[in-house]
Amino acid sequence: AQSVTQPDIHITVSEGASLELRCNYSYGATPYLFWYVQSPGQGLQLLLKYFSGDTLVQGIKGFEAEFKRSQSSFNLRKPSVHWSDAAEYFCAVGIYGGSQGNLIFGKGTKLSVKP
Amino acid sequence: ETGVTQTPRHLVMGMTNKKSLKCEQHLGHNAMYWYKQSAKKPLELMFVYNFKEQTENNSVPSRFSPECPNSSHLFLHLHTLQPEDSALYLCASSQGYTDEAFFGQGTRLTVV
Repeated sequence: AQSVTQPDIHITVSEGASLELRCNYSYGATPYLFWYVQSPGQGLQLLLKYFSGDTLVQGIKGFEAEFKRSQSSFNLRKPSVHWSDAAEYFCAVGIYGGSQGNLIFGKGTKLSVKP
Repeated sequence: ETGVTQTPRHLVMGMTNKKSLKCEQHLGHNAMYWYKQSAKKPLELMFVYNFKEQTENNSVPSRFSPECPNSSHLFLHLHTLQPEDSALYLCASSQGYTDEAFFGQGTRLTVV
């Protein structure tokens, strides 16, 4: 069955430090991969997506992610974290077949930023 | 502002009540979705509509009833809910079902 694993429930980093959030997926075909961010009380906002092509994907707010097929991973990175990046981050894999679309989400990683 | 608007933002209802959640998108998208976000659980896809036709129902109990009168509006009708149905209900839309989804801010539902 398809699944997405985000092994870290909560991460705390210092402002200005680098960040890497892990995501592993299980899916038999070529995946469509997404990272979303959710601020408290808000809906989800797309940070970046991977469909095909270059395995290093650039997103908004200075985030990037790298697709590694051999490791079934799609880790999110940012070289220098800002206090406004404190939020919850969700990795998702798109499952598409026929005329149906479905996003399978991980449980999320909550990011705290300390001054 | 993502272009997807959900009302109400908060809702408290008793187990015998009937209420409806509304979602509206002005993005010209063809696909709309309902997701449920519970504490400590992944987001769960509930329903998918593509060109106003329901294409997916992920084994959702019948006390949740979706309605999609046109491609811009999506409703979730609620009746005889249980306390465990308390959650954040998120609506999303996308141009096509393989395109990125744009989410609304959600309706925080509490069943008492």
